[in-house]
Amino acid sequence: ETGVTQSPTHLIKTRGQQVTLRCSSQSGHNTVSWYQQALGQGPQFIFQYYREEENGRGNFPPRFSGLQFPNYSSELNVNALELDDSALYLCASSGGLAGANVLTFGAGSRLTVL
Amino acid sequence: EDQVTQSPEALRLQEGESSSLNCSYTVSGLRGLFWYRQDPGKGPEFLFTLYSAGEEKEKERLKATLTKKESFLHITAPKPEDSATYLCAVPNYYGGSQGNLIFGKGTKLSVKP
Repeated sequence: ETGVTQSPTHLIKTRGQQVTLRCSSQSGHNTVSWYQQALGQGPQFIFQYYREEENGRGNFPPRFSGLQFPNYSSELNVNALELDDSALYLCASSGGLAGANVLTFGAGSRLTVL
Repeated sequence: EDQVTQSPEALRLQEGESSSLNCSYTVSGLRGLFWYRQDPGKGPEFLFTLYSAGEEKEKERLKATLTKKESFLHITAPKPEDSATYLCAVPNYYGGSQGNLIFGKGTKLSVKP
C-alpha cells in the first residue's frame, strides 16, 4: 500500500509569484484534502476534491485553487503569493475502509515566501 | 463557531513518567473526535477516533478517552520515541464535506531518557 506523496518537499518563492504543489493520493482513496499549517499551529483546511470537483472550502481566498485528476492525484495552486503564505502545505487522502474523516497525510511541501 | 483547544502547549516528561494531554472542544454537533501524532518534518499520523462520551481507545502506551466536553490522551510510562506533537481534531459541522477537520494547535511532548 503506497502512502501519500507530495512534491516538491521545499521551495522558495518571492511575493507576487505563483506556485503549484502536487500530491499523489494513497491507493484506494478517492478524496483529497489540502491543509495549510503555519509554524506552531494546527493544520487549517483549505479545500477538498472528490470526483475531480471541489467539495468543500475553508476560509481561504480564491487565489488558492486546485485540481483533481482522474487518477485521484491533485494540485494546489496559489497565485499572487504573500508573505503570510509561508507554511507547510499538507495533502491528505481519504475514502478507504477507515472512513471519510480518517485522513492519511503526506509529509508536506514547505513553502517560504520572501 | 466550532473550536478545539489543547493543553498544555508543551510537556516535558522523564521516561516512565505518566501524564495526560487535554483537548477541549465546543461544537454544534459532535461527529467524532480524532487524535493524530506529528513528528518533526512529517505530516500528521492518525491514532484514534472517538465517537461518544465514555468511549476509550488504546494503542501501546496511549489511551484516548472522551467526555461530552473534552478528550484526554493518557500516556503511560512514556519512552523517548513517544516524543512528538499530538493533535486533536473534530469535523467541521458547518464544513459541508467530510474530511474538513478543525485542528487544535497541538501539544508538543518531549520525553527525556
